[in-house]
Amino acid sequence: KQEVTQIPAALSVPEGENLVLNCSFTDSAIYNLQWFRQDPGKGLTSLLLIQSSQREQTSGRLNASLDKSSGRSTLYIAASQPGDSATYLCAVSGYSTLTFGKGTMLLVSP
Amino acid sequence: GAGVSQTPSNKVTEKGKYVELRCDPISGHTALYWYRQSLGQGPEFLIYFQGTGAADDSGLPNDRFFAVRPEGSVSTLKIQRTERGDSAVYLCASSPLPTGNTGELFFGEGSRLTVL
Repeated sequence: KQEVTQIPAALSVPEGENLVLNCSFTDSAIYNLQWFRQDPGKGLTSLLLIQSSQREQTSGRLNASLDKSSGRSTLYIAASQPGDSATYLCAVSGYSTLTFGKGTMLLVSP
Repeated sequence: GAGVSQTPSNKVTEKGKYVELRCDPISGHTALYWYRQSLGQGPEFLIYFQGTGAADDSGLPNDRFFAVRPEGSVSTLKIQRTERGDSAVYLCASSPLPTGNTGELFFGEGSRLTVL
């Protein structure tokens, strides 16, 4: 059974810092990996999707990497802003399902 | 609408009652998913539809839970004899393709169910 772990569970940083969120998974037989953002009381917004054959994806200040053989992904956020405060979820894909981690709760203070 | 729509946004019910939660996916998306998210946890898979059929229902916790998608668009998640442990946010997502076919999931804002 696939298990996804996210470290740290919570992170608090001052505005402007670069930061890294970590995700690990136990079964490397995945189709793709997605990073989502979730604001309190809201649904999930997809940030980046990395296919299993890719090593990284970039969108604006976000960069996600994937090392499938070691079962790891990182989400790098450059020049963090208070608006980045949210919970970030990592999910790995089987053919018909996503398995999620518990998320990293990020707080960026002005 | 442009996104995935879920109704009701909040539902409070008493233990033992029957509940229906509705999901209206993005137009044209053939894949539809139900997830359940408890406080402080990531979403947990319940069921996946491809068109009208349930392609994978392995995440449904027991036979009190059932979901339908009769016309391949709107889906209803049905919970019988609700229990306090059913309290959670029920999330619906849709995709033009299954996740394994590079399908990116688009989530609704969820239905928060509270069983008293």
